[in-house]
Amino acid sequence: GQQVMQIPQYQHVQEGEDFTTYCNSSTTLSNIQWYKQRPGGHPVFLIQLVKSGEVKKQKRLTFQFGEAKKNSSLHITATQTTDVGTYFCAATSGGYQKVTFGTGTKLQVIP
Amino acid sequence: DAGVTQSPTHLIKTRGQQVTLRCSPISGHKSVSWYQQVLGQGPQFIFQYYEKEERGRGNFPDRFSARQFPNYSSELNVNALLLGDSALYLCASSTNPQRPNTEAFFGQGTRLTVV
Repeated sequence: GQQVMQIPQYQHVQEGEDFTTYCNSSTTLSNIQWYKQRPGGHPVFLIQLVKSGEVKKQKRLTFQFGEAKKNSSLHITATQTTDVGTYFCAATSGGYQKVTFGTGTKLQVIP
Repeated sequence: DAGVTQSPTHLIKTRGQQVTLRCSPISGHKSVSWYQQVLGQGPQFIFQYYEKEERGRGNFPDRFSARQFPNYSSELNVNALLLGDSALYLCASSTNPQRPNTEAFFGQGTRLTVV
């Protein structure tokens, strides 16, 4: 089945530093989605990328989809304590859009 | 507009017991998917229902079953509970999963503890 790997597994940054998480698949993806899950919470949809080489921005967050549609990245500029949580990439597959989640990157921001 | 609602929020069961978890999708959404999230891991796909029919099944034993009702709400049943079934069970709803790149909306989840 489809597998989506993320690196790093954990990341501790000082508040104000930048953060990047990478998502990789062995197969070509039809799309990539990014979710954020706060400690004790549920995954919250952030964004979806569909086109090869697509770049989208949401305030301090920049999302990229690779040219080959096999990898993606999420970059946060000048992290804040509110950015704490686990960031998951996910991909949909099949006729009914089953969502396969990546392994996640847990971000800790040190004030 | 209410989001995806799940009940109960927390549950404690004993090994060998059976449990039923409930999910109400966003109004107008016809698809419900169930996920199991063990602590420290990403959500794992269990089932997907669309228009009251099972459309996808993950790699879970037959102790796990689900159904979708005419009002599109859904139940997840787990029989003969094991300690390893302790997890956050998430429900996600979407409009039409056959349409490419459809967004899924997650509920708050049911935290199941098996003792």
